Amino acid sequence: EPEVTQTPSHQVTQMGQEVILRCVPISNHLYFYWYRQILGQKVEFLVSFYNNEISEKSEIFDDQFSVERPDGSNFTLKIRSTKLEDSAMYFCASREYPTGNQPQHFGDGTRLSIL
Amino acid sequence: GENVEQHPSTLSVQEGDSAVIKCTYSDSASNYFPWYKQELGKGPQLIIDIRSNVGEKKDQRIAVTLNKTAKHFSLHITETQPEDSAVYFCAASVPGGYSTLTFGKGTMLLVSP
Repeated sequence: EPEVTQTPSHQVTQMGQEVILRCVPISNHLYFYWYRQILGQKVEFLVSFYNNEISEKSEIFDDQFSVERPDGSNFTLKIRSTKLEDSAMYFCASREYPTGNQPQHFGDGTRLSIL
Repeated sequence: GENVEQHPSTLSVQEGDSAVIKCTYSDSASNYFPWYKQELGKGPQLIIDIRSNVGEKKDQRIAVTLNKTAKHFSLHITETQPEDSAVYFCAASVPGGYSTLTFGKGTMLLVSP
């Protein structure tokens, strides 16, 4: 069964450094998402992306965050200057259809640890 | 915006028992309600979903019920097995192109043999 893949599985970064998290969505999917899960808390929406632009973003997704689809397969989340509070699991998800409520499929996440 | 409340936060059952997890949502416009299972070190995996035009959906040992009037939905797992042990999240989304999911806080289900 096709799946969303994320790399790396664990990223350790010094505070203030830039980090890029990578995702390969399911190949025929058109909608892409990033979510964040701080340890022990709920999964929170960050941003959605469709047709090479941001569709929707939450208040968490401030100017330090950016997303990009640099080629036909990868979808990346960049944090420009990491803060301690950015430590969390970051999940990428994708969905097939551009309209209507269809299932989102999640990757296994990247654990980001800011020192 | 949408708010999803989930309870209980932890649930311990004996193998073979049933487990029920309940969620409420705040936005009456929400019309899609998926349930995800998250095992340790893994991402959320969709196990079942329901849309607002139906009241119940079943898939083998798993069922979900939806009460639109009361704005709550529940996950029912029958004949639980140790491999059902995981964190379960409910979620809701409103109609529209982007279908952002709002998650509950999760329920840690522990099934003892």
